[in-house]
Amino acid sequence: DAKTTQPNSMESNEEEPVHLPCNHSTISGTDYIHWYRQLPSQGPEYVIHGLTSNVNNRMASLAIAEDRKSSTLILHRATLRDAAVYYCILRDRRNQFYFGTGTSLTVIP
Amino acid sequence: DTEVTQTPKHLVMGMTNKKSLKCEQHMGHRAMYWYKQKAKKPPELMFVYSYEKLSINESVPSRFSPECPNSSLLNLHLHALQPEDSALYLCASSHGASNTEAFFGQGTRLTVV
Repeated sequence: DAKTTQPNSMESNEEEPVHLPCNHSTISGTDYIHWYRQLPSQGPEYVIHGLTSNVNNRMASLAIAEDRKSSTLILHRATLRDAAVYYCILRDRRNQFYFGTGTSLTVIP
Repeated sequence: DTEVTQTPKHLVMGMTNKKSLKCEQHMGHRAMYWYKQKAKKPPELMFVYSYEKLSINESVPSRFSPECPNSSLLNLHLHALQPEDSALYLCASSHGASNTEAFFGQGTRLTVV
């Protein structure tokens, strides 16, 4: 199973951009990079995913390194509602979907 | 409808009880998952069903028994659990391809006494 490593915690000021890094040096060519977040007492929520190219959606942007061994989730303007644990996950063709340890994001008003 | 519904939301059971957790989705997803999550830890994959067949069992003890009666339903039957099995049990579903997102339910908070 593919593994990801993330910092345990990060802080950001409200309305500032946040860059959440993830390392996945054992990624294979067909693994997709997914990001989910989990608020307290809730199930994980999909944020974004990509394969090779950078991706944007209404929630965030995903920047993927050229060698695909790392990626960065970008929240363009952090709000208090973005405080959550953010998980970077590699999803393979066998539908294995393993969570890493995640980054707990604190947003400071 | 983009919801995964899990019932019950909370469950307290004794170590000799038999109970079941239920998960339902109506998005036409053919992959369904059970995860276990302890406090302040990431979710741990337990089982994956693909097209109603068990495709992954992550060496889960036999006191947890999954069942997928049809493409919309996923059950987790519990028997003779231990207090250390107390956790949040999460269900998820997705289309089969790895380039699609998964949808998670809100979980069942299980306490074994």
